[in-house]
Amino acid sequence: LAKTTQPISMDSYEGQEVNITCSHNNIATNDYITWYQQFPSQGPRFIIQGYKTKVTNEVASLFIPADRKSSTLSLPRVSLSDTAVYYCLVGPLYNFNKFYFGSGTKLNVKP
Amino acid sequence: GAVVSQHPSRVICKSGTSVKIECRSLDFQATTMFWYRQFPKKSLMLMATSNEGSKATYEQGVEKDKFLINHASLTLSTLTVTSAHPEDSSFYICSAGRDRGGDNSGNTIYFGEGSWLTVV
Repeated sequence: LAKTTQPISMDSYEGQEVNITCSHNNIATNDYITWYQQFPSQGPRFIIQGYKTKVTNEVASLFIPADRKSSTLSLPRVSLSDTAVYYCLVGPLYNFNKFYFGSGTKLNVKP
Repeated sequence: GAVVSQHPSRVICKSGTSVKIECRSLDFQATTMFWYRQFPKKSLMLMATSNEGSKATYEQGVEKDKFLINHASLTLSTLTVTSAHPEDSSFYICSAGRDRGGDNSGNTIYFGEGSWLTVV
């Protein structure tokens, strides 16, 4: 499975756009990229998922360059409640092969 | 959206006893479920993959006789911690894969709320 690398932590202020980048240099052809948000003492919550180019939903955008060796989660206008750990996971979605978590990125949103 | 539910959310048990944690996919059938363990301020560590109707596949270093996993139906997987010790105290999280059919692009893995186990 593709190993992922993310910054350990990031700081931001309320109302700013936050971009969190994940590196996955050995991503395979069949792998998808999925981002999760985790608050303390809760299970990870699905944010967004994509294979290539750009994906947008009501809470975030996901940018994936043509070589797919990295991806960027974009959170528009963050609020204090967006303070959490964000994980990117990479893997195939057929037969649900096991997903290993990296270190994640702790986002601290300040007032 | 899809929901994966765990029960109990918190449990305290005595050393030497066994405790069972349930993981249910509430609005979809899940052939495959996963169990993770998470220590405070650490990332999730995959323990095992649970496949409906077959034996679970354990990650290296995880004792299969201590962490019994059963996936008896397409909506339920259970993790039983046997002969619990204080070092088994942790946050346990399950996940389930939702297969929407087609080209796999709509498939997603959803996680439960997690279960805190404290062994005293």
